[in-house]
Amino acid sequence: ETGVTQTPRHLVMGMTNKKSLKCEQHLGHNAMYWYKQSAKKPLELMFVYNFKEQTENNSVPSRFSPECPNSSHLFLHLHTLQPEDSALYLCASSQYIAGGAKNIQYFGAGTRLSVL
Amino acid sequence: AQTVTQSQPEMSVQEAETVTLSCTYDTSESDYYLFWYKQPPSRQMILVIRQEAYKQQNATENRFSVNFQKAAKSFSLKISDSQLGDAAMYFCAYTWAQGGSEKLVFGKGTKLTVNP
Repeated sequence: ETGVTQTPRHLVMGMTNKKSLKCEQHLGHNAMYWYKQSAKKPLELMFVYNFKEQTENNSVPSRFSPECPNSSHLFLHLHTLQPEDSALYLCASSQYIAGGAKNIQYFGAGTRLSVL
Repeated sequence: AQTVTQSQPEMSVQEAETVTLSCTYDTSESDYYLFWYKQPPSRQMILVIRQEAYKQQNATENRFSVNFQKAAKSFSLKISDSQLGDAAMYFCAYTWAQGGSEKLVFGKGTKLTVNP
């Protein structure tokens, strides 16, 4: 248990559905991240939030919409997805300190998403 | 561009033996960290070990140690006295601070099998 909880663990949705992934961290961290993990590809960073402000959008299509209402919660809203969006979506958190790359990112167990 | 390369898609080791997983990276940054993460079938990404680029001494965590060759941009992981619970995907990762957030770049991973 790393202190980062993701729900649901599995999600199956049609291309016209709207769903949301949830991430909650209990570590008191100030930065949260969304990653996409596809088969045979490296993990891809999607979004970064520092102090609830989005600081990184790695050219992610607009059908993925992140939301960070506070430092402990992060959502990924999904709508009109494509079958190629099927993947494991991982959330992570860290305690970001400006001025250096010091911080360990702690990961949740991910949501396995299947788009039909 | 920062990249991480893991040249061994799969490795196997006998229980109680030693195995080394290789990783190379490419960067022009001077301040960065390197990590090895483990992802068992439970999907939870767990930090195994980290190395600070400015430290010459190789990091060690119990049975896990690294061989960090900064000039060669090489960062291999040695697992001693391998145990069945070490079976997992192992990801090498690199991070640096840019633009107010920290980016974590992963390799494609090495699947480690431990044979009894």
